[in-house]
Amino acid sequence: RKEVEQDPGPFNVPEGATVAFNCTYSNSASQSFFWYRQDCRKEPKLLMSVYSSGNEDGRFTAQLNRASQYISLLIRDSKLSDSATYLCVVNKDKLSFGAGTTVTVRA
Amino acid sequence: DTGVSQDPRHKITKRGQNVTFRCDPISEHNRLYWYRQTLGQGPEFLTYFQNEAQLEKSRLLSDRFSAERPKGSFSTLEIQRTEQGDSAMYLCASSLADAGDEQYFGPGTRLTVT
Repeated sequence: RKEVEQDPGPFNVPEGATVAFNCTYSNSASQSFFWYRQDCRKEPKLLMSVYSSGNEDGRFTAQLNRASQYISLLIRDSKLSDSATYLCVVNKDKLSFGAGTTVTVRA
Repeated sequence: DTGVSQDPRHKITKRGQNVTFRCDPISEHNRLYWYRQTLGQGPEFLTYFQNEAQLEKSRLLSDRFSAERPKGSFSTLEIQRTEQGDSAMYLCASSLADAGDEQYFGPGTRLTVT
């Protein structure tokens, strides 16, 4: 079983729509959680850390459910520039990355 | 630009040759990580350093791979006797210990082994 599993998508949404997706992780002792964004043939860039109480950064909301071992990301009012692959990342001594969820926002 | 830098950005080599990549982390970061990423997958951890000490190596890292960070600043990753399966993007990241484990990535070195 992979340490971090994500729905690869793609999620194809119109501008202005809300899109949400999850990932699950296998190690219950994981300590910290992140969402990274990766554009085609570019390096991953930190989007946001994920806290137990849930947190928001502008149009992005992240939630963590430790009991069920999943993390979610919601993007409101999506923009064309949100088109990217979103990597779910879990830390237990080292970072483990999911394979990514691809989001395409169309005009 | 004070971000993580990597050199070269692209490397094409023939099978059996040795290659070396360099990573310069963000200057105040004491942790440095190497990852490998293939198409359609997330980055896979290879190894990491805290200052000059190599603290962990993945089982993915065969004997042909070696990494150094001699002065606790830049790092090199060497692959000896390259194989076609080594073709991938090699990513370096850095972080500040005890600063939330947030890692910042360099642009990567894309290796193609022919």
